[in-house]
Amino acid sequence: KQEVTQIPAALSVPEGENLVLNCSFTDSAIYNLQWFRQDPGKGLTSLLLIQSSQREQTSGRLNASLDKSSGRSTLYIAASQPGDSATYLCAVVYNFNKFYFGSGTKLNVKP
Amino acid sequence: NAGVTQTPKFQVLKTGQSMTLQCAQDMNHEYMSWYRQDPGMGLRLIHYSVGAGITDQGEVPNGYNVSRSTTEDFPLRLLSAAPSQTSVYFCASSYGPGARETQYFGPGTRLLVL
Repeated sequence: KQEVTQIPAALSVPEGENLVLNCSFTDSAIYNLQWFRQDPGKGLTSLLLIQSSQREQTSGRLNASLDKSSGRSTLYIAASQPGDSATYLCAVVYNFNKFYFGSGTKLNVKP
Repeated sequence: NAGVTQTPKFQVLKTGQSMTLQCAQDMNHEYMSWYRQDPGMGLRLIHYSVGAGITDQGEVPNGYNVSRSTTEDFPLRLLSAAPSQTSVYFCASSYGPGARETQYFGPGTRLLVL
């Protein structure tokens, strides 16, 4: 069974700081990896999708990298803003439509 | 577009009761899924559907039933509620397989089983 771990569980940073969220997985035979954002009381919003053949994806201030051989992905957020405060979840797609989610990193960006 | 809608937003059940969680999408998506989210754990896939009339089990299907009679709707039925089913339930849809396409999530249904 695929295990997905996210470290740290919570992170508090001052506005403007660059930060890195980590995601690790146990089985490297993944289809792709996705990063989601979840706001309190809301559903998930897809941020980035990295195919297994790719090394990274970028969207605005977000950059996600993937290292399948080591079972790791990182989400880099540049110049963080209070509006970035949310829980960030990574999901490893191990099979056609089967997602394995990490438990998330709760980010607080202080003004 | 309303996107993915879920009803009810919150429900309290007694052990042994049955209920149906509703999910609808107006984006003409073929793929729909149900997840549960428990504190300290990630989302876990319950059931999914690749089109009307086709469903399959996810990681934690026991105690739940689904059907897909139309493209728009994908209800989740709890046959006999148990306290272990207390959770937040999310429905998601995508145009193609969630593995390749962006999944759109509903706002969730919070279920408390006493």
